[in-house]
Amino acid sequence: QSALTQPASVSGSPGQSITISCTGTSSDVGRYNYVSWYQQHPGKAPKLMIYEVSNRPSGVSNRFSGSKSGNTASLTISGLQAADEADYYCTSYTSNSTVVFGGGTKLTVL
Amino acid sequence: EVQLLESGGGLVQPGGSLRLSCAASGFTFSSYAMGWVRQAPGKGLEWVSAISGSGGSSYYADSVKGRFTISRDNSKNTLYLQMNSLRAEDSAVYYCAKGFGGVIVTDAFDIWGQGTMVTVSS
Repeated sequence: QSALTQPASVSGSPGQSITISCTGTSSDVGRYNYVSWYQQHPGKAPKLMIYEVSNRPSGVSNRFSGSKSGNTASLTISGLQAADEADYYCTSYTSNSTVVFGGGTKLTVL
Repeated sequence: EVQLLESGGGLVQPGGSLRLSCAASGFTFSSYAMGWVRQAPGKGLEWVSAISGSGGSSYYADSVKGRFTISRDNSKNTLYLQMNSLRAEDSAVYYCAKGFGGVIVTDAFDIWGQGTMVTVSS
């Protein structure tokens, strides 16, 4: 199972919005609504930000939102804050009953 | 407070074995799927394995299938990962994670441990 494709890096200024894409195939992202997004700060464990494409766990800011179109899922962060600077990973359930991660995107807040 | 505490990592020679443990607390362990995710130094996250709450169903990444075995002891609130025939490319921080409670076993993980380092080297 090949990794999902994410941009290596994105950047934005405080207050702006950014979107991170996550492209898979018709065997994973395109087939199931089981896309999740994780935030990871350096040296820390990942944190679940979005599950099942667009749902936020309790305690996650509504500045984080998820969507999907075809084989591509997206994470949008609005009102960018310095604390949002981190690595972001998407995942998807696959037709093999496994999970595949994206390669990760480093978000820089300018 | 919901907590996951991994243990069992360390240095092992290629071809060797290691068993990781993850002690869970603060939630009804048997009600949730659990899993392992790893991260090689400086690299991205890689899903390794997951197991249903009852332990009756388990799933593996192709990269570890046939070498790793996930299991759980619900009476001890503990998750395990038995790793055999270890290779240099298995070197990583191994995270234990709790399934958030979705319909499928291999859905999202909402609680993560701090990880335990496994180094495979001669």
